[in-house]
Amino acid sequence: DTGVSQNPRHKITKRGQNVTFRCDPISEHNRLYWYRQTLGQGPEFLTYFQNEAQLEKSRLLSDRFSAERPKGSFSTLEIQRTEQGDSAMYLCASSPGQGAPDTEAFFGQGTRLTVV
Amino acid sequence: AQTVTQSQPEMSVQEAETVTLSCTYDTSESNYYLFWYKQPPSRQMILVIRQEAYKQQNATENRFSVNFQKAAKSFSLKISDSQLGDTAMYFCAFMSDRSGGSNYKLTFGKGTLLTVNP
Repeated sequence: DTGVSQNPRHKITKRGQNVTFRCDPISEHNRLYWYRQTLGQGPEFLTYFQNEAQLEKSRLLSDRFSAERPKGSFSTLEIQRTEQGDSAMYLCASSPGQGAPDTEAFFGQGTRLTVV
Repeated sequence: AQTVTQSQPEMSVQEAETVTLSCTYDTSESNYYLFWYKQPPSRQMILVIRQEAYKQQNATENRFSVNFQKAAKSFSLKISDSQLGDTAMYFCAFMSDRSGGSNYKLTFGKGTLLTVNP
């Protein structure tokens, strides 16, 4: 296992189109997170999964955003009717989640979305 | 809600010298963790060092050490013997550890871009 994998690495889309990103966490990591990072800012929390259950969604996640993690393995993040303000780096992170606090999150390289 | 503030957008240091990156945070939580993450250009973010708030002793990892001042809510990172490979964006981050359940999400500062010059 080489770490958290995100695809695609880059995505350019026209405003109004739908896009979907995929994240493959480290095997057997129960917790999975999505963050969004805009230019000049630190990553901001979007949503969190414990296995297949989506346990928290940020207010940043409008109703145009949906995330899934079927079977508790990979996760997808879909943005419908993209807007220019959605342009950002979308980061996925995973952690073991075996009861005790996970004090290290493992990040993927991110998917950079550009909405034109 | 927690906030993390990094007041130095950019810093530079000469190779082999020491540099300190600043971070302050605000929280009403009593149990939490603090982190420094490194994001090299076009590469994934990796953990540099972490500190449990209940520990008084400052964390150290090789050339990296922290100065954790809990009362002042300050958490600075010191990099000794700076190397060219230390050039990266450095993010300070906070994680709450509430009893009764926590999703352990990270709250990040805006980052400090560190450039190590040869």
